[in-house]
Amino acid sequence: RKEVEQDPGPFNVPEGATVAFNCTYSNSASQSFFWYRQDCRKEPKLLMSVYSSGNEDGRFTAQLNRASQYISLLIRDSKLSDSATYLCVVNDGSARQLTFGSGTQLTVLP
Amino acid sequence: DGGITQSPKYLFRKEGQNVTLSCEQNLNHDAMYWYRQDPGQGLRLIYYSQIVNDFQKGDIAEGYSVSREKKESFPLTVTSAQKNPTAFYLCASSIASGGSYNEQFFGPGTRLTVL
Repeated sequence: RKEVEQDPGPFNVPEGATVAFNCTYSNSASQSFFWYRQDCRKEPKLLMSVYSSGNEDGRFTAQLNRASQYISLLIRDSKLSDSATYLCVVNDGSARQLTFGSGTQLTVLP
Repeated sequence: DGGITQSPKYLFRKEGQNVTLSCEQNLNHDAMYWYRQDPGQGLRLIYYSQIVNDFQKGDIAEGYSVSREKKESFPLTVTSAQKNPTAFYLCASSIASGGSYNEQFFGPGTRLTVL
């Protein structure tokens, strides 16, 4: 079983749509959680950290469910510029290493 | 401007050759990391270093070597022992503080192709 699992997609949605990505992780000792965005042939960039109480940054909302070991990212009012691959990232709880999911590809269509 | 730089952006290597990828940061971060990314896959950790003159193997260290002689620099050598080196190599850094974990910041990457 992969340590961090994501639906690879692709998700093709129209502009203005709401889209949600899910991610599950296997290490119950994980302490830190992140969503990164990666554009085609570019480096990953931090989109947002995920906090236990859930957090929102503009059109983006992240949720964490520790009991189910599940993280989600919700994007409202999708823009063409949101087209990218979204990586779910979890730390290993002990050695300060990050484990990356394979990513979910999003294409926002005009 | 603070950031992480990697060079070269593209690198071509003949089979049997060793090549060294450069990674420099001026963010004053203690920790630095090397990852490999293959098409359609997530990042896999090659090596990481939490402090100067110390580094640890990641999940796929075989065929790679690193050094950390300066805080700002963490070069990666891809040796001829690496069986399938063609990939996108990403360097990252983060603040390393006791008891907490911080996000990693990435350089622009080096695309290595073995001819």
